[in-house]
Amino acid sequence: SAVISQKPSRDICQRGTSLTIQCQVDSQVTMMFWYRQQPGQSLTLIATANQGSEATYESGFVIDKFPISRPNLTFSTLTVSNMSPEDSSIYLCSVAPAPNYGYTFGSGTRLTVV
Amino acid sequence: QKEVEQDPGPLSVPEGAIVSLNCTYSNSAFQYFMWYRQYSRKGPELLMYTYSSGNKEDGRFTAQVDKSSKYISLFIRDSQPSDSATYLCAMSERGSTLGRLYFGRGTQLTVWP
Repeated sequence: SAVISQKPSRDICQRGTSLTIQCQVDSQVTMMFWYRQQPGQSLTLIATANQGSEATYESGFVIDKFPISRPNLTFSTLTVSNMSPEDSSIYLCSVAPAPNYGYTFGSGTRLTVV
Repeated sequence: QKEVEQDPGPLSVPEGAIVSLNCTYSNSAFQYFMWYRQYSRKGPELLMYTYSSGNKEDGRFTAQVDKSSKYISLFIRDSQPSDSATYLCAMSERGSTLGRLYFGRGTQLTVWP
């Protein structure tokens, strides 16, 4: 299975600022997924990132708020922009390293906005 | 109606008990079914991956899928305190390199010694 390194593991940020989360995978993968996990809620898909193309955002998520970069097949970043306390959540990246294997998740970034 | 329903618990059982965790879903196109375990302050860890209906066993864990009832289960035999975690069901319409996952809310399990 793939190993994902996600940074930072946690952060406390002031409202109105931005935070960039990094996701590094130890193998090349076609698609990378970014999820949000709010307390007591399901994991919610924010967007799917393919290398060399624009990310595809789910309903309720927009590029201006959550810009994503995917410069190569092993790395992606998610930025949470102009943060408010409602953005306090755990953010997770995920990959599918091989067909019919399942999805691997990073350890998550626990974000608190004050 | 959410696409995937899962009772959040919490569920508390004594060590050695058999644990049953369940999810229901509404989308008949789901074909791939997964169970994840998530310890506090960690990312989800894949436990079981199954395709279509049937059973799959791995050690103390058994996953069951009943597509006719749109119902999936995870059984944990001889539960241990180290099994204390949140268990998430997830499913997708297509194979893992193509499809997005739909998750349940997770069931919080505590196994006490």
